[in-house]
Amino acid sequence: AQTVTQSQPEMSVQEAETVTLSCTYDTSENNYYLFWYKQPPSRQMILVIRQEAYKQQNATENRFSVNFQKAAKSFSLKISDSQLGDTAMYFCAFLPYNNNDMRFGAGTRLTVKP
Amino acid sequence: DSGVTQTPKHLITATGQRVTLRCSPRSGDLSVYWYQQSLDQGLQFLIQYYNGEERAKGNILERFSAQQFPDLHSELNLSSLELGDSALYFCASSLAGALNEQFFGPGTRLTVL
Repeated sequence: AQTVTQSQPEMSVQEAETVTLSCTYDTSENNYYLFWYKQPPSRQMILVIRQEAYKQQNATENRFSVNFQKAAKSFSLKISDSQLGDTAMYFCAFLPYNNNDMRFGAGTRLTVKP
Repeated sequence: DSGVTQTPKHLITATGQRVTLRCSPRSGDLSVYWYQQSLDQGLQFLIQYYNGEERAKGNILERFSAQQFPDLHSELNLSSLELGDSALYFCASSLAGALNEQFFGPGTRLTVL
């Protein structure tokens, strides 16, 4: 079974600084997708970024980028120029290519301090 | 606003009761997914429907069932409720399969007393 581990329950960062959130996963699958979701205090789940496992190039979305290390089964999220609005829970998620059962990590609570 | 609507926003009920949660997907989306977010279990995938048919099942209890109607809205039925069923229940929708971006609704907060 696939498992997703986020080893940092809580993190904080100063506004305008850079922070990296860690995620590791365990799978025997070769084809899969990885996601980072953001859940602000409103509790709305918002997709931040996605990565296809067959792509070697790391995904980027504006201030958000990932460091995808397939061999190490690691998928970290880097947030540059942190903003107060980035304060939220961040969930890493794994989706096998042939299965719709998305697995989530336990989440990392990020606080951006002014 | 994701375009996915869920009703009700909050639901308080007693153990042993049955409730129905409703979800309307974004216009044009054919897939609906249900997730449960609880303090002890985290965020878990329950079930997916695609164009009216069940497509995938996750950690959904036998006391729980869902369906998707011809107009593509979906309902999640929870019966014989237990204290441990208290959670935030999310519905998400996507154009087709899970490889398409899923858009989440605001969730229904269920409290079982």
